[in-house]
Amino acid sequence: GNSVTQMEGPVTLSEEAFLTINCTYTATGYPSLFWYVQYPGEGLQLLLKATKADDKGSNKGFEATYRKETTSFHLEKGSVQVSDSAVYFCALSHYNQGGKLIFGQGTELSVKP
Amino acid sequence: NAGVTQTPKFQVLKTGQSMTLQCAQDMNHNSMYWYRQDPGMGLRLIYYSASEGTTDKGEVPNGYNVSRLNKREFSLRLESAAPSQTSVYFCASSEADGTNSPLHFGNGTRLTVT
Repeated sequence: GNSVTQMEGPVTLSEEAFLTINCTYTATGYPSLFWYVQYPGEGLQLLLKATKADDKGSNKGFEATYRKETTSFHLEKGSVQVSDSAVYFCALSHYNQGGKLIFGQGTELSVKP
Repeated sequence: NAGVTQTPKFQVLKTGQSMTLQCAQDMNHNSMYWYRQDPGMGLRLIYYSASEGTTDKGEVPNGYNVSRLNKREFSLRLESAAPSQTSVYFCASSEADGTNSPLHFGNGTRLTVT
């Protein structure tokens, strides 16, 4: 079946450091890929998405590129801020599962001043 | 803009008790979902409703029932709570399926079953 695997956390960085959170997926064909973010005490919200190979999703300084050859969708940000501290979830959606989202386990990011 | 509203925010139950988690959305969305979030396991889909009047099982439906009361409301019922159902429960809605329209989440219900 379809699945998503993320790097384990927590990830602790200093402010202005470079961020990478790895995400790989297993699915046939071309699923759509997403990153959702969960701030403390809140529900998840969509951060960015990519719906076809080589697409780059971007939002709030974060970006991720849909790599079919490596089945990956790594999240990156050039300079993190304390306000980026949150849990980040990679997810996929595929027509063979009726478009329902499958989430990875989440990666907690803590940014220190 | 209320978005997706879940009640209650916190609940403690004893094993065997029943309860209903309420969810309402004011965005006129067609699809609604119930997820549970457990440490190290991400979010797992319990039930979903693609449109008013329909419901389907997700990945972990055992021990739960749902009702899509109308387009706005989608409730989750635990008939006989078990400690394994201790979790944070999230309701979400989307205009269409999750591929083409983002999910909007409520702030969650933290449930403890003792």
